[in-house]
Amino acid sequence: SQQGEEDPQALSIQEGENATMNCSYKTSINNLQWYRQNSGRGLVHLILIRSNEREKHSGRLRVTLDTSKKSSSLLITASRAADTASYFCAKETSGSRLTFGEGTQLTVNP
Amino acid sequence: GAVVSQHPSWVICKSGTSVKIECRSLDFQATTMFWYRQFPKQSLMLMATSNEGSKATYEQGVEKDKFLINHASLTLSTLTVTSAHPEDSSFYICSARLGPPNTEAFFGQGTRLTVV
Repeated sequence: SQQGEEDPQALSIQEGENATMNCSYKTSINNLQWYRQNSGRGLVHLILIRSNEREKHSGRLRVTLDTSKKSSSLLITASRAADTASYFCAKETSGSRLTFGEGTQLTVNP
Repeated sequence: GAVVSQHPSWVICKSGTSVKIECRSLDFQATTMFWYRQFPKQSLMLMATSNEGSKATYEQGVEKDKFLINHASLTLSTLTVTSAHPEDSSFYICSARLGPPNTEAFFGQGTRLTVV
C-alpha cells in the first residue's frame, strides 16, 4: 500500500503565481524526495531532503520537511506554463525502497 | 545525471502472450533496480526490487510467476509479463540508484503495455 497522502490532488493556477503541494507519511523515513512526471513519461528527480534536514532550495523550488508532523511541502515560485505536470513525493524507507504518494496534478495557465 | 533507458516505450500484444521489457543503466552500474506499475492518473506502485545475481524481491500481492524479473548483469534488468491479460495493461516504469540510500533514483521513460 502507498504510504502517505498528497494534497491537493489537483491544482490550477495562473502563470506567475506560487504553487504549494503537501505530502504526509506514516512511518519513519530516511529521506523524502520529490519527482515530476509529464503525462505518459518517466519521472524526473527534483529535490531530496534528508530526515535531519528541514528545508532545501533548488532554483524556484523550495522543499520543507517537518518530521514531528510527518509532512513535507513543495513550493514552486513564479510558476510557468512549462511547470504543468504531476508532482509526486516519495518516501525512502529501509532497503532503499521508494514508496510514492498519490501525486498532485498541477496546471499552470498562461 | 545518470541515464536509465527502458525499451520498448510502448507495446501492444494479444492476450495469452508474453512481453519482455528491458531496463538498462547506460552510464553506471546498478546492483539494484526497481519496477513500478502505474495506472492512469494514479501513483506508482512498487512491484519488485531487482537484485543483480539473485532473486527479485516482490511486494505483497505481486505474482512472481506472472511478472518474471531477471537481473543478469549490472546494467540490465528485464520484466517479463507472462500470459498477459487485458487487466495487465498499464504503464510500467523502472528505476535505478547510483549509490547507497539517500541518493536520488533515476527513472526510465516507461513502457505503455496494452493487451488486446
